[in-house]
Amino acid sequence: QLQLQESGPGLVKPSETLSLTCTVSDGSISRSSHYWGWIRQSPGKGLEWIGTVFHGGGTYYNPSLTSRVTVSVDTSKNQFSLKLTSVTAADTAVYYCTRRLRAGDNLYLMDVWGQGTTVTVSS
Amino acid sequence: AIQMTQSPSSLSASVGDRVTITCRASQGIRNDLGWYQQKPGKAPKLLIYATSILQSGVPSRFSGSGSGTDFTLTISSLQPEDFGTYYCLQDYNYPLTFGPGTKVDIK
Repeated sequence: QLQLQESGPGLVKPSETLSLTCTVSDGSISRSSHYWGWIRQSPGKGLEWIGTVFHGGGTYYNPSLTSRVTVSVDTSKNQFSLKLTSVTAADTAVYYCTRRLRAGDNLYLMDVWGQGTTVTVSS
Repeated sequence: AIQMTQSPSSLSASVGDRVTITCRASQGIRNDLGWYQQKPGKAPKLLIYATSILQSGVPSRFSGSGSGTDFTLTISSLQPEDFGTYYCLQDYNYPLTFGPGTKVDIK
């Protein structure tokens, strides 16, 4: 059963760059049917999709974050990462890494989630 | 971006009750909708994808229906472990968007 685990600093200073890594275990990151992404949840709030990277390195980003966000894959380490620049307190959230599986023609499911990692933006 | 709304925002029901949560998209999304359950301090868990396909291991008391813009998640007989917040997610196109959530409490 494929598993995901987030890692990275729990505290980031305002204006700096938030960097998180997601390690994929018990499965390959390179399968073309697997899309890798990030979701966040601000304290007491709902879920916000951040971005997705898919086979070949193509990406989609949330328009509200696109100028600040990069999602990329490191196949040699079976990891993918999130970088969010110029953070503010509004970026304080629990960050989840996810797998979006293409199960067929126009059939997708976001079926695997990491446990989440809390990132606080504060000086 | 496609906007997703959910109703109600919260509900309280008794064990054994039939519970229905609705999700509406601001434009047609075919059947490209999933439902997730989140418990406090935990990651969301996929319940249903493609509107009505039950994810492996999810109890059969959960079901989904709908198409286009209007969708429904039904719990046929609410169980104590079904408390939590339920979110819909449209994956018809990017940006992917979630509904605001429906919090379910057990009376």
